Amino acid sequence: QVQLQESGPGLVQPSETLSLTCTVSGYSIRSAYYWGWIRQPPGKGLEWIGSIYHSGSTYYNPSLKSRVTISVDTSKNQFSLKLSSVTAADTAVYYCARVYQLVWVDGLWGQGTLVTVSS
Amino acid sequence: QSALTQPPSASGSPGQSVTISCTGTSSDVGGFTYVSWYQQHPGKAPKLMIYEVSKRPSGVPDRFSGSKSGNTASLTVSGLQAEDEADYYCSSYAGSNNLVFGGGTKLTVL
Repeated sequence: QVQLQESGPGLVQPSETLSLTCTVSGYSIRSAYYWGWIRQPPGKGLEWIGSIYHSGSTYYNPSLKSRVTISVDTSKNQFSLKLSSVTAADTAVYYCARVYQLVWVDGLWGQGTLVTVSS
Repeated sequence: QSALTQPPSASGSPGQSVTISCTGTSSDVGGFTYVSWYQQHPGKAPKLMIYEVSKRPSGVPDRFSGSKSGNTASLTVSGLQAEDEADYYCSSYAGSNNLVFGGGTKLTVL
Protein backbone atom coordinates (compact mmCIF):
# COMPACT_ATOMS: atom_id res chain seq x y z
CA GLN A 1 0.00 0.00 0.00
CA VAL A 2 1.40 3.36 -1.04
CA GLN A 3 1.58 5.92 1.76
CA LEU A 4 3.05 9.36 2.40
CA GLN A 5 3.76 10.46 5.97
CA GLU A 6 4.82 13.91 7.12
CA SER A 7 7.00 14.30 10.20
CA GLY A 8 8.58 17.19 12.06
CA PRO A 9 8.07 19.64 14.94
CA GLY A 10 4.55 20.84 15.55
CA LEU A 11 5.72 24.12 17.10
CA VAL A 12 8.25 26.54 15.63
CA GLN A 13 9.47 29.83 17.06
CA PRO A 14 8.93 33.02 15.03
CA SER A 15 11.92 33.88 12.81
CA GLU A 16 13.16 30.29 12.98
CA THR A 17 13.17 27.65 10.23
CA LEU A 18 10.33 25.17 9.78
CA SER A 19 11.57 21.71 8.80
CA LEU A 20 9.41 18.79 7.66
CA THR A 21 10.12 15.43 6.07
CA CYS A 22 7.84 13.28 3.96
CA THR A 23 8.50 9.54 3.93
CA VAL A 24 7.16 7.63 0.95
CA SER A 25 6.42 3.96 1.50
CA GLY A 26 5.31 1.31 -0.96
CA TYR A 27 6.45 3.35 -3.97
CA SER A 28 9.83 4.47 -5.28
CA ILE A 29 10.53 8.17 -5.11
CA ARG A 30 12.66 7.58 -8.20
CA SER A 31 9.53 7.06 -10.29
CA ALA A 32 8.44 9.39 -13.08
CA TYR A 33 6.33 11.46 -10.68
CA TYR A 34 7.24 14.73 -8.99
CA TRP A 35 6.73 15.27 -5.26
CA GLY A 36 5.35 18.37 -3.61
CA TRP A 37 4.36 20.33 -0.54
CA ILE A 38 1.00 22.08 -0.09
CA ARG A 39 -0.19 23.96 2.98
CA GLN A 40 -3.54 25.05 4.41
CA PRO A 41 -3.83 27.72 7.12
CA PRO A 42 -6.59 26.97 9.65
CA GLY A 43 -9.98 27.61 8.08
CA LYS A 44 -8.46 28.73 4.79
CA GLY A 45 -7.67 27.37 1.34
CA LEU A 46 -4.83 25.36 -0.14
CA GLU A 47 -1.52 26.89 -1.23
CA TRP A 48 1.11 25.14 -3.36
CA ILE A 49 4.56 25.58 -1.83
CA GLY A 50 6.77 23.75 -4.31
CA SER A 51 7.71 20.50 -6.02
CA ILE A 52 10.81 18.37 -6.58
CA TYR A 53 11.93 15.57 -8.91
CA HIS A 54 14.13 12.72 -7.75
CA SER A 55 16.99 14.26 -9.73
CA GLY A 56 16.88 17.20 -7.33
CA SER A 57 15.27 19.70 -9.71
CA THR A 58 13.07 22.06 -7.71
CA TYR A 59 10.15 24.36 -8.51
CA TYR A 60 8.82 26.90 -6.01
CA ASN A 61 5.80 29.16 -5.56
CA PRO A 62 7.12 32.61 -6.51
CA SER A 63 5.55 34.14 -3.41
CA LEU A 64 7.55 31.82 -1.11
CA LYS A 65 10.62 31.20 -3.22
CA SER A 66 12.99 33.36 -1.17
CA ARG A 67 12.27 31.33 1.99
CA VAL A 68 11.73 27.78 0.70
CA THR A 69 14.11 24.89 0.15
CA ILE A 70 12.90 21.44 -0.91
CA SER A 71 15.34 18.55 -1.06
CA VAL A 72 15.22 14.82 -1.75
CA ASP A 73 17.00 11.80 -0.25
CA THR A 74 16.46 8.90 -2.62
CA SER A 75 18.34 6.48 -0.35
CA LYS A 76 15.69 6.99 2.33
CA ASN A 77 12.78 7.48 -0.10
CA GLN A 78 12.12 10.86 1.50
CA PHE A 79 11.83 14.49 0.53
CA SER A 80 11.96 17.48 2.83
CA LEU A 81 10.78 21.06 3.24
CA LYS A 82 12.55 23.96 4.92
CA LEU A 83 10.81 27.32 5.31
CA SER A 84 12.91 30.05 6.86
CA SER A 85 12.06 33.21 8.80
CA VAL A 86 8.61 31.96 9.73
CA THR A 87 5.85 34.13 11.16
CA ALA A 88 2.39 33.42 12.53
CA ALA A 89 1.12 33.59 8.93
CA ASP A 90 3.00 30.35 8.24
CA THR A 91 0.85 28.46 10.76
CA ALA A 92 -0.88 25.77 8.70
CA VAL A 93 -1.46 22.11 8.05
CA TYR A 94 1.37 21.04 5.76
CA TYR A 95 0.71 18.22 3.28
CA CYS A 96 3.14 16.29 1.15
CA ALA A 97 1.79 14.77 -2.05
CA ARG A 98 2.62 13.20 -5.38
CA VAL A 99 2.50 15.57 -8.34
CA TYR A 100 1.86 14.56 -11.94
CA GLN A 101 4.25 16.24 -14.36
CA LEU A 102 4.11 19.48 -12.32
CA VAL A 103 0.58 20.10 -13.61
CA TRP A 104 -1.71 18.62 -10.94
CA VAL A 105 -1.52 16.99 -7.54
CA ASP A 106 -2.75 13.45 -7.96
CA GLY A 107 -4.53 11.10 -5.58
CA LEU A 108 -1.66 10.42 -3.22
CA TRP A 109 -1.48 12.79 -0.23
CA GLY A 110 -0.09 12.52 3.27
CA GLN A 111 -2.46 12.96 6.19
CA GLY A 112 -1.06 16.42 6.90
CA THR A 113 0.70 17.83 9.92
CA LEU A 114 -0.17 21.02 11.80
CA VAL A 115 2.72 23.38 12.34
CA THR A 116 2.12 26.30 14.68
CA VAL A 117 4.41 29.31 14.71
CA SER A 118 4.39 30.81 18.17
CA SER A 119 6.68 31.81 20.97
CA GLN B 1 0.21 34.46 -9.30
CA SER B 2 -3.20 35.00 -7.69
CA ALA B 3 -5.51 32.38 -6.28
CA LEU B 4 -8.32 31.19 -8.53
CA THR B 5 -11.76 32.59 -7.65
CA GLN B 6 -14.44 30.26 -6.31
CA PRO B 7 -17.78 31.09 -4.65
CA PRO B 8 -17.49 30.65 -0.86
CA SER B 9 -20.54 28.45 -0.69
CA ALA B 10 -22.97 26.36 -2.73
CA SER B 11 -25.90 24.21 -1.78
CA GLY B 12 -28.49 21.80 -3.10
CA SER B 13 -31.02 19.23 -1.96
CA PRO B 14 -30.44 15.49 -2.22
CA GLY B 15 -30.87 14.32 -5.79
CA GLN B 16 -30.37 17.76 -7.27
CA SER B 17 -27.38 19.02 -9.27
CA VAL B 18 -25.04 21.79 -8.24
CA THR B 19 -22.27 23.51 -10.18
CA ILE B 20 -19.23 25.18 -8.65
CA SER B 21 -17.25 27.68 -10.71
CA CYS B 22 -13.54 28.41 -10.72
CA THR B 23 -12.39 31.58 -12.46
CA GLY B 24 -8.84 32.35 -13.41
CA THR B 25 -7.07 34.08 -16.27
CA SER B 26 -5.63 33.25 -19.65
CA SER B 27 -2.35 32.55 -17.84
CA ASP B 28 -3.76 29.64 -15.89
CA VAL B 29 -7.27 28.18 -16.35
CA GLY B 30 -7.74 29.62 -19.83
CA GLY B 31 -4.28 28.76 -21.07
CA PHE B 32 -3.99 25.08 -20.21
CA THR B 33 -6.08 21.89 -20.00
CA TYR B 34 -4.69 21.15 -16.54
CA VAL B 35 -7.58 22.04 -14.23
CA SER B 36 -8.15 19.67 -11.32
CA TRP B 37 -10.73 19.48 -8.53
CA TYR B 38 -10.37 18.22 -4.96
CA GLN B 39 -12.89 17.23 -2.30
CA GLN B 40 -11.97 17.77 1.33
CA HIS B 41 -13.94 16.56 4.32
CA PRO B 42 -13.21 18.16 7.72
CA GLY B 43 -9.90 17.06 9.18
CA LYS B 44 -9.01 15.02 6.11
CA ALA B 45 -6.54 15.40 3.26
CA PRO B 46 -7.93 16.55 -0.09
CA LYS B 47 -9.07 13.87 -2.51
CA LEU B 48 -8.61 14.19 -6.27
CA MET B 49 -12.00 14.16 -8.02
CA ILE B 50 -11.26 15.55 -11.51
CA TYR B 51 -8.03 16.08 -13.45
CA GLU B 52 -7.24 17.57 -16.84
CA VAL B 53 -10.55 19.49 -16.80
CA SER B 54 -12.92 16.55 -17.13
CA LYS B 55 -11.22 13.23 -16.41
CA ARG B 56 -12.22 11.18 -13.37
CA PRO B 57 -9.74 9.01 -11.45
CA SER B 58 -10.71 5.41 -10.88
CA GLY B 59 -13.23 5.12 -8.06
CA VAL B 60 -14.75 8.59 -8.37
CA PRO B 61 -18.49 8.36 -9.10
CA ASP B 62 -19.64 9.54 -12.52
CA ARG B 63 -21.94 11.96 -10.68
CA PHE B 64 -18.91 14.24 -10.64
CA SER B 65 -18.06 15.97 -13.90
CA GLY B 66 -15.84 18.83 -14.98
CA SER B 67 -15.78 21.32 -17.83
CA LYS B 68 -14.12 24.54 -18.91
CA SER B 69 -15.08 27.56 -20.98
CA GLY B 70 -12.55 30.30 -21.48
CA ASN B 71 -11.03 31.31 -18.16
CA THR B 72 -13.69 29.56 -16.06
CA ALA B 73 -13.78 25.91 -15.08
CA SER B 74 -16.75 24.19 -13.48
CA LEU B 75 -17.41 21.16 -11.32
CA THR B 76 -20.90 19.68 -11.46
CA VAL B 77 -22.18 17.24 -8.89
CA SER B 78 -25.32 15.46 -10.04
CA GLY B 79 -27.69 13.43 -7.88
CA LEU B 80 -26.42 15.09 -4.70
CA GLN B 81 -25.88 12.79 -1.77
CA ALA B 82 -25.30 13.60 1.89
CA GLU B 83 -21.69 12.38 1.65
CA ASP B 84 -20.96 15.01 -1.02
CA GLU B 85 -21.10 17.72 1.66
CA ALA B 86 -17.51 18.94 1.82
CA ASP B 87 -15.15 21.69 0.74
CA TYR B 88 -14.15 21.68 -2.92
CA TYR B 89 -11.00 23.24 -4.36
CA CYS B 90 -9.98 23.79 -7.95
CA SER B 91 -6.40 23.97 -9.12
CA SER B 92 -4.72 24.91 -12.37
CA TYR B 93 -1.29 24.79 -13.91
CA ALA B 94 -0.17 28.40 -14.19
CA GLY B 95 2.82 28.07 -16.49
CA SER B 96 6.51 28.26 -15.60
CA ASN B 97 6.15 25.11 -13.49
CA ASN B 98 3.71 26.78 -11.08
CA LEU B 99 0.45 25.52 -9.62
CA VAL B 100 -2.34 27.67 -8.22
CA PHE B 101 -5.38 26.70 -6.13
CA GLY B 102 -8.78 28.30 -5.69
CA GLY B 103 -10.03 29.65 -2.38
CA GLY B 104 -12.45 26.77 -1.90
CA THR B 105 -16.23 26.31 -1.92
CA LYS B 106 -18.21 24.82 0.95
CA LEU B 107 -20.90 22.57 -0.50
CA THR B 108 -23.92 22.03 1.75
CA VAL B 109 -26.47 19.30 1.10
CA LEU B 110 -29.74 20.65 2.43
